[in-house]
Amino acid sequence: GAVVSQHPSWVICKSGTSVKIECRSLDFQATTMFWYRQFPKQSLMLMATSNEGSKATYEQGVEKDKFLINHASLTLSTLTVTSAHPEDSSFYICSANRGRAFFGQGTRLTVV
Amino acid sequence: AQKITQTQPGMFVQEKEAVTLDCTYDTSDQSYGLFWYKQPSSGEMIFLIYQGSYDEQNATEGRYSLNFQKARKSANLVISASQLGDSAMYFCAMREPSVGGSNYKLTFGKGTLLTVNP
Repeated sequence: GAVVSQHPSWVICKSGTSVKIECRSLDFQATTMFWYRQFPKQSLMLMATSNEGSKATYEQGVEKDKFLINHASLTLSTLTVTSAHPEDSSFYICSANRGRAFFGQGTRLTVV
Repeated sequence: AQKITQTQPGMFVQEKEAVTLDCTYDTSDQSYGLFWYKQPSSGEMIFLIYQGSYDEQNATEGRYSLNFQKARKSANLVISASQLGDSAMYFCAMREPSVGGSNYKLTFGKGTLLTVNP
């Protein structure tokens, strides 16, 4: 199957700083990638659709200035959590489709 | 709008027994797809099985089978011969139709936490 790699697996940052999470499709080109957020013991909630070469499409209620998405190449999408606060602490996971959805390993973000 | 409902927050099963995890869905689309994913405590999303709305036969993948009842809009996952390693969160998801074909979104249910007892 296809491989989607996400980095870092976990990160701890100070309140007010920004954190960048990378999502790479290792063996296929992905014009579209998806970013999800998951709180403990809850479901995955789609945050945004990342489109190569164009602006991301954000779901209702997601602050686009807080969660910056860049999809600069066919194999890389990045999610930057800007001016992070403790309430941004969560599990973030990306996916890309090749027939079916393939997920990255996820990133556990803790803002202290 | 599409909706996925998983009514079982938690399920317990004895090792080597079979267990059914429920999933019902709501959609006005004629063409759709249903997935089941397993999420262990590590957080990774592991694909288990897929059922297309036009598939006439229920999908099977090893110990996993999908009991697809289209008229009832249900897509229950059956795990046979449960193993201790099956303990995890299980999510049912529906593929939204997309103009571009493969670039579809997924809508997830709330999940069911399965615990397999020795």
